[in-house]
Amino acid sequence: GAGVSQTPSNKVTEKGKYVELRCDPISGHTALYWYRQSLGQGPEFLIYFQGTGAADDSGLPNDRFFAVRPEGSVSTLKIQRTERGDSAVYLCASSASANEQFFGPGTRLTVL
Amino acid sequence: AQSVTQLGSHVSVSEGALVLLRCNYSSSVPPYLFWYVQYPNQGLQLLLKYTSAATLVKGINGFEAEFKKSETSFHLTKPSAHMSDAAEYFCAVSRNTGTASKLTFGTGTRLQVTL
Repeated sequence: GAGVSQTPSNKVTEKGKYVELRCDPISGHTALYWYRQSLGQGPEFLIYFQGTGAADDSGLPNDRFFAVRPEGSVSTLKIQRTERGDSAVYLCASSASANEQFFGPGTRLTVL
Repeated sequence: AQSVTQLGSHVSVSEGALVLLRCNYSSSVPPYLFWYVQYPNQGLQLLLKYTSAATLVKGINGFEAEFKKSETSFHLTKPSAHMSDAAEYFCAVSRNTGTASKLTFGTGTRLQVTL
């Protein structure tokens, strides 16, 4: 069956621009997570949705980062006024249970 | 708060040798523990998980890990390394509350397998 998909796979933007990253979870998974993985580091939690609502957004680094999941399926991570420090791989995961998350291939964001 | 420490950012073993990747955790509540593998330019794949059942957990590709509460450890082992095991391995912890919960990852261990 289809796994978690993320688009685009790569995104290059200029400092100060706005970007949107999309995540399509596994069908039927109610929980959706966003993580950020910087070079040489483990993934760091950003935000988690249960259905349409953000259940935990404690990992969002500042108010330039925002995520939505309006219909409880696809989610979009939005970054305003991008900075070079935002360059990383953004990972999305979904789950149907408390103890296993399935990850997508990630979106590699490069801010020039 | 929860955290994970992975000792050794790089581990090199010979093909056929024992693989041992170390993970220690800190958690104020009973944890779930996970090992994920990441191949180059790919997403994370779950190797195995501990969810408070058996303390010795067997996963895919011949890997296993043992939960030791007294040592707050969850080390990953494989009796005989294969070239295809070369990848980045991440240990992660989440809260054991029965509901969905974020993962807190370690910094990863890169496993190199040599002939």
